[in-house]
Amino acid sequence: AQTVTQSQPEMSVQEAETVTLSCTYDTSESNYYLFWYKQPPSRQMILVIRQEAYKQQNATENRFSVNFQKAAKSFSLKISDSQLGDTAMYFCALLGGGSNYKLTFGKGTLLTVNP
Amino acid sequence: DSGVTQTPKHLITATGQRVTLRCSPRSGDLSVYWYQQSLDQGLQFLIHYYNGEERAKGNILERFSAQQFPDLHSELNLSSLELGDSALYFCASSVASLAGGWGQFFGPGTRLTVL
Repeated sequence: AQTVTQSQPEMSVQEAETVTLSCTYDTSESNYYLFWYKQPPSRQMILVIRQEAYKQQNATENRFSVNFQKAAKSFSLKISDSQLGDTAMYFCALLGGGSNYKLTFGKGTLLTVNP
Repeated sequence: DSGVTQTPKHLITATGQRVTLRCSPRSGDLSVYWYQQSLDQGLQFLIHYYNGEERAKGNILERFSAQQFPDLHSELNLSSLELGDSALYFCASSVASLAGGWGQFFGPGTRLTVL
């Protein structure tokens, strides 16, 4: 079975500062994908960033970057220059390899950006 | 805007009733996924269709069923509704590749309230 664990239910950060959200996962597959999704108060699920397990280079999307540690099965999200609009629930998700195309989500981290 | 549309946005109904949720995937996407988000269960995968064929089932109750039509839109049917079925139901789609590694793109969701 695949699992995703987000150990920080809530976090807060001051505007313009940097924050890191943690995620660990477990899978027996060798080829898989990892994602971070953002869910603002509108409840829309927005894809923030993706990482392919077979790529060692950490993914970056503007102010968002990941620290992917495959051996440790860790996939953290760093948000730089935090903005008020970053306030949202953030979900880490795992897409298994083989014929398993479902996303397994963590329970989420509620991030609040304070002015 | 992800390009995935879902109707209706809100649905209020009574226990024992049947409802149908509709989803149109992004143009060109052949895969459609259904997820349920509730406070106690978090985000749970329900079912996956690819080009009209069921590919995987998750924690989907027998009272629930889905299908994907030749024009690729999908419907999720929920019957004999119970109070516990109240949740946000998301549809997501992904590009044609079965691997889905480019990510799943979510619709705005349908909020179902069972009274």
